[in-house]
Amino acid sequence: DAKTTQPPSMDCAEGRAANLPCNHSTISGNEYVYWYRQIHSQGPQYIIHGLKNNETNEMASLIITEDRKSSTLILPHATLRDTAVYYCIVRGGYALNFGKGTSLLVTP
Amino acid sequence: GAVVSQHPSWVICKSGTSVKIECRSLDFQATTMFWYRQFPKQSLMLMATSNEGSKATYEQGVEKDKFLINHASLTLSTLTVTSAHPEDSSFYICSAPGQTQETQYFGPGTRLLVL
Repeated sequence: DAKTTQPPSMDCAEGRAANLPCNHSTISGNEYVYWYRQIHSQGPQYIIHGLKNNETNEMASLIITEDRKSSTLILPHATLRDTAVYYCIVRGGYALNFGKGTSLLVTP
Repeated sequence: GAVVSQHPSWVICKSGTSVKIECRSLDFQATTMFWYRQFPKQSLMLMATSNEGSKATYEQGVEKDKFLINHASLTLSTLTVTSAHPEDSSFYICSAPGQTQETQYFGPGTRLLVL
């Protein structure tokens, strides 16, 4: 699976949009981009995934660049409960290989 | 969405004892489950892939004789940490693919402390 690069930490004010970037410049054509998050001391939670088109669900939006070398997860209106570590994972096979992720802190 | 449970949620044991952790898919069947380990302030590391009806596949560096995996049914996988030592203290998490195989659902994790 391709390697991903994410900033180690980010802050966001409550109610504002949180934009979390991910670089995956070595992604191959059949690999999907997945986003999970892990709230402290809990199991990871699935957020969203995509191949090349932008995707949106009730939790977030995923914007993938045309060359697929990077993506951005957008939480449109961040709340305090969105404070977590966010993992961007490029998945080609069956298992998920987690990197270090981005620790997002949402502040009041 | 699909639900994966783990039992126990936390366990404290003495060095040298064995500990069994259960992972169950509650409302779906899973022929494959994954076991991860997470040390404090670190990311999840895949330990092994549990396969119903066949042997588990272990990641490089994971001792298969120490971490015994049994996928007894389509809804249950167990991880047994044999002769646990303090360095095995960690957060153990399992996951299972959903019906579409596109997403994975994670259990809440089991925190193991070996004294």
